[in-house]
Amino acid sequence: DAGVIQSPRHEVTEMGQEVTLRCKPISGHDYLFWYRQTMMRGLELLIYFNNNVPIDDSGMPEDRFSAKMPNASFSTLKIQPSEPRDSAVYFCASSRGLLNTEAFFGQGTRLTVV
Amino acid sequence: SQQGEEDPQALSIQEGENATMNCSYKTSINNLQWYRQNSGRGLVHLILIRSNEREKHSGRLRVTLDTSKKSSSLLITASRAADTASYFCATGGGGSNYKLTFGKGTLLTVNP
Repeated sequence: DAGVIQSPRHEVTEMGQEVTLRCKPISGHDYLFWYRQTMMRGLELLIYFNNNVPIDDSGMPEDRFSAKMPNASFSTLKIQPSEPRDSAVYFCASSRGLLNTEAFFGQGTRLTVV
Repeated sequence: SQQGEEDPQALSIQEGENATMNCSYKTSINNLQWYRQNSGRGLVHLILIRSNEREKHSGRLRVTLDTSKKSSSLLITASRAADTASYFCATGGGGSNYKLTFGKGTLLTVNP
């Protein structure tokens, strides 16, 4: 298996623009997570899905952030409009189950909003 | 908000020495996990210890868990330059709150 695949690896955009981050989880994994990593706040869980259904989005910082999982092999995280403070590395991870299981992370998308 | 908090924030040692990192947390957990992150890369799972376990080994890694003190330690023996990375503890919440919550990590530098 190729692991969790994220695209793009790097994104530079101007403030106010819409940004879409993409994730393909490992086949057979029924949980998908979106995390954000910054120096100040560390690794924060934004939202997670179980069988394509959003379960907990309490970590989504604002209404500007939205996430979807239209099928078991694809998820998007959208920021509209983007702001400089959204600059961070965004990670997608997937797991088989939730209790006492490891998460597999993608390589991340480094987002810079200028 | 972070559940786990690693200590120290940074650690620099010589190749061949042992490295010990600690993690403290605040609420009940189902499990505690350690992950490694090389610069510019994603996190890689190292080891999972369940709340009813006290010690676990994997190769050169040894993890302990003390639920009474709400703390864990990760020991890397006979360190190598390739062990240079950030190490994170993550707690799987207690009760039905299973989601993983990460600390801010310990940056380990192993000098050749």
